[in-house]
Amino acid sequence: GEDVEQSLFLSVREGDSSVINCTYTDSSSTYLYWYKQEPGAGLQLLTYIFSNMDMKQDQRLTVLLNKKDKHLSLRIADTQTGDSAIYFCAEKANTGGFKTIFGAGTRLFVKA
Amino acid sequence: DGGITQSPKYLFRKEGQNVTLSCEQNLNHDAMYWYRQDPGQGLRLIYYSQIVNDFQKGDIAEGYSVSREKKESFPLTVTSAQKNPTAFYLCASSTGLAGAGGETQYFGPGTRLLVL
Repeated sequence: GEDVEQSLFLSVREGDSSVINCTYTDSSSTYLYWYKQEPGAGLQLLTYIFSNMDMKQDQRLTVLLNKKDKHLSLRIADTQTGDSAIYFCAEKANTGGFKTIFGAGTRLFVKA
Repeated sequence: DGGITQSPKYLFRKEGQNVTLSCEQNLNHDAMYWYRQDPGQGLRLIYYSQIVNDFQKGDIAEGYSVSREKKESFPLTVTSAQKNPTAFYLCASSTGLAGAGGETQYFGPGTRLLVL
C-alpha cells in the first residue's frame, strides 16, 4: 500500500543547514510535496517536485529526489528560528482519484 | 485576496451533539478536502469532493458527513456517532486539473474541535 515515512524530530543550531528526509512507497507517484505547519495553523505549501526531476532549488530550500530509492529530502540553508515548525512530506499517488498521502511530519527545533 | 477560510477557529461540542465546521474558498478550485490531524500523526482524509454535488468518502468517514451545494463551500458535520472527535480539522482545495501541479492542495488555517 501507499505509505510515507519521516523521522519525528530534528534539532539544529541557528545558521546551520537542516536536512529533513522522507521515504515513500508508491513508485508511480507523480508529485511530491513539502508543507510547513506552524503551531495552531494550517499547512503552508513550501515546494513540490515532479517525479521526473531529481532536484529543485528555491532560495534557501533545496529538494532532492532519488526515485530509485524512493527518497525525498528537504534542505534548508542558513536555518533561522522562524523555520521552527513541523514539516510534512506528501506524495500524490498515481492510483487515480485525488488522494495525497501525508507523512506524520518532522518537528524541526532551531536552537539560537 | 484569494484563499481558504475555516470557521470557527475553536469549537466545543457537548456529548450527543452534532457540530458543523465551515470551509470556504474563493480560489475557484473544483476539488475540496477535509482532513483530521491528531498529535504526532499525519493527516487522515475524511471526505473529498471533486465537483459540486459530488463527494467521496476518505479513509475515516465514519461519524462525519459533508455537502457540496456550492463550489466555494464544503462544510463538515461531526455527528454524535463520532466517538472521539477531539482533533484539529483541516480543509484544503485544489484546481482538480491533472498535471502541471494542478492537484496541489492548499490548506485553510484549521478548526480545533474539543469535547466538553
